[in-house]
Amino acid sequence: DTAVSQTPKYLVTQMGNDKSIKCEQNLGHDTMYWYKQDSKKFLKIMFSYNNKELIINETVPNRFSPKSPDKAHLNLHINSLELGDSAVYFCASSQAGQAYYEQYFGPGTRLTVT
Amino acid sequence: SQQGEEDPQALSIQEGENATMNCSYKTSINNLQWYRQNSGRGLVHLILIRSNEREKHSGRLRVTLDTSKKSSSLLITASRAADTASYFCATASQMEYGNKLVFGAGTILRVKS
Repeated sequence: DTAVSQTPKYLVTQMGNDKSIKCEQNLGHDTMYWYKQDSKKFLKIMFSYNNKELIINETVPNRFSPKSPDKAHLNLHINSLELGDSAVYFCASSQAGQAYYEQYFGPGTRLTVT
Repeated sequence: SQQGEEDPQALSIQEGENATMNCSYKTSINNLQWYRQNSGRGLVHLILIRSNEREKHSGRLRVTLDTSKKSSSLLITASRAADTASYFCATASQMEYGNKLVFGAGTILRVKS
């Protein structure tokens, strides 16, 4: 069974569209994250949720809105997509927050905006 | 902003050789973690070393931490072709960056068979 899963794996869309990426973890973890990895492989945190509560919100455009319906799911909705949003988006989870524990990553969603 | 800086950016070795990657960081940390990323895949956690620890082992992996120099190293012994991947260090610091992991730019390791 996959510990952290994301859908879709690939997403190709045009500028201006709205898209969502879904993430689910079956590890029973309390904390989930969204990361963005750019073309140079630099990985940066975007959001973190602990038990459905937002605890980290980096300097991310308002077009990005995370939603956590329960502690096993963290979805990412992106409005009005721009070329610069093209990247690989990773979901991750950990036993608890505060970065004191190892994180488990999903396989990534490669988003291409044309 | 970026906290960890890996060195070298890329490393190419023969199978059986040891590979050493270094990571330097700027602020005091709670822990430092190493992750591996195979091409086109997600990151996989390798080792977590806390600020009061100096060395940790896991199989063929050895991690050291020198908080006075704000640096860490990852040693992979007897490397295999399957070790070919990107390796990232990530630091957890409460003080400057809040409660989150900050990743370095990574070292690309290529093990030739």
